[in-house]
Amino acid sequence: DIQMTQSPSSLSASVGDRVTISCRASQGITNSLAWYQQIPGKVPKLLIYAASTLQSGVPSRFSGSGSGTDFTLTISSLQPEDVATYYCQRYNSVPSTFGQGTKVEIK
Amino acid sequence: EVQLLESGGGLEQPGGSLRLSCAASGFTFSTYAMSWVRQAPGKGLEWVSSINGGNSDTFYTDSVRGRFRISRDNSKDTLYLQMSGLRAEDTAVYYCAKSRGSYGSASDVWGQGTMVTVSS
Repeated sequence: DIQMTQSPSSLSASVGDRVTISCRASQGITNSLAWYQQIPGKVPKLLIYAASTLQSGVPSRFSGSGSGTDFTLTISSLQPEDVATYYCQRYNSVPSTFGQGTKVEIK
Repeated sequence: EVQLLESGGGLEQPGGSLRLSCAASGFTFSTYAMSWVRQAPGKGLEWVSSINGGNSDTFYTDSVRGRFRISRDNSKDTLYLQMSGLRAEDTAVYYCAKSRGSYGSASDVWGQGTMVTVSS
């Protein structure tokens, strides 16, 4: 199975900082990658699909990049409402797999 | 408004069975693949199973294949997960999720989840 490895597992940054989260696939997955945000106690929310396409209604400070095995989620200016755990997911084949998550906190 | 509402969770003994349901509204249910994703307490997300909309092809993670069965009733706009041979490690919140298209696309709408606890 293709494994998805996220880094870091957690980070703490100040409001307004640029934040980047990495997701690496153990094999190439073209651009079949999504990013989700899960605010504590809430349901996962789709942010990005096809590696770089912003889901409707998601603030433009979120962006995604990458293809093949290496992908990045960037928050251009961290806001207090962005405190959450972020997951990548590959969906190109069975089984679909999620990364282990990256917890983002405000410093 | 697109909505998914899960039901059927609860406490079950090891080896027991449960059937989860997910009632969909606000979109053409039969057009889209649907999935079940679970989250054990304090843990990350785990994809469990998916079913395509048109041909109802089904897909499972290895740990549930042969024990769980995903199905859908497009006339009732409802997704199901029949769970049998339950194990303690199946304890989790189970989310129903709508795909953006067929299997092989991201999940753009999620239900609120239903808790399944497997314990004696």
